[in-house]
Amino acid sequence: DAGVTQSPTHLIKTRGQQVTLRCSPKSGHDTVSWYQQALGQGPQFIFQYYEEEERQRGNFPDRFSGHQFPNYSSELNVNALLLGDSALYLCASSRDTEKGAFFGQGTRLTVV
Amino acid sequence: GEDVEQSLFLSVREGDSSVINCTYTDSSSTYLYWYKQEPGAGLQLLTYIFSNMDMKQDQRLTVLLNKKDKHLSLRIADTQTGDSAIYFCAETLSGGYNKLIFGAGTRLAVHP
Repeated sequence: DAGVTQSPTHLIKTRGQQVTLRCSPKSGHDTVSWYQQALGQGPQFIFQYYEEEERQRGNFPDRFSGHQFPNYSSELNVNALLLGDSALYLCASSRDTEKGAFFGQGTRLTVV
Repeated sequence: GEDVEQSLFLSVREGDSSVINCTYTDSSSTYLYWYKQEPGAGLQLLTYIFSNMDMKQDQRLTVLLNKKDKHLSLRIADTQTGDSAIYFCAETLSGGYNKLIFGAGTRLAVHP
């Protein structure tokens, strides 16, 4: 079992551009959540997808959007990038009926 | 409101016990978690405790929960250099669909 996999591992984008990050959940997991971790801080919840729908959303602007596919994999899209969007983006997968979530290694996004 | 607080830094000698503390504010916490993050890596789920329990032991790890004071601690027995990492306390709330609310993390440094 490969666990939660994310791609790419690192990314550099220019302010104003758009970015797409990808996540494949752990086998058997149906729920995917995305978190933003700024340097020196704890992860902040962005949103969660279940059954291809956004089920819950944190305090992030509409520039952050996502998608979940029938195979449970997910994408995070960020439009009109700001310097402040530079962070580690973590994907977590879980089974809806179980507690706890398993995290991928993250995508390090740098906006210049 | 949703708030999880941790002390930022802890230094211990190899072989000693480490105790990492966390406080939370929301009375509707259902589960409380401890995650470990090593440099450049994602988060690893160490253990979790249901909010109606007061203690859970798992090998070298002991979790204590004081629900009245909303205080959670993680004790690591016989701390090793490989335990050096950032430890995050997190909670999920009633009706929260596994949305994790994290503290800022405690950096544990283990020295010889």
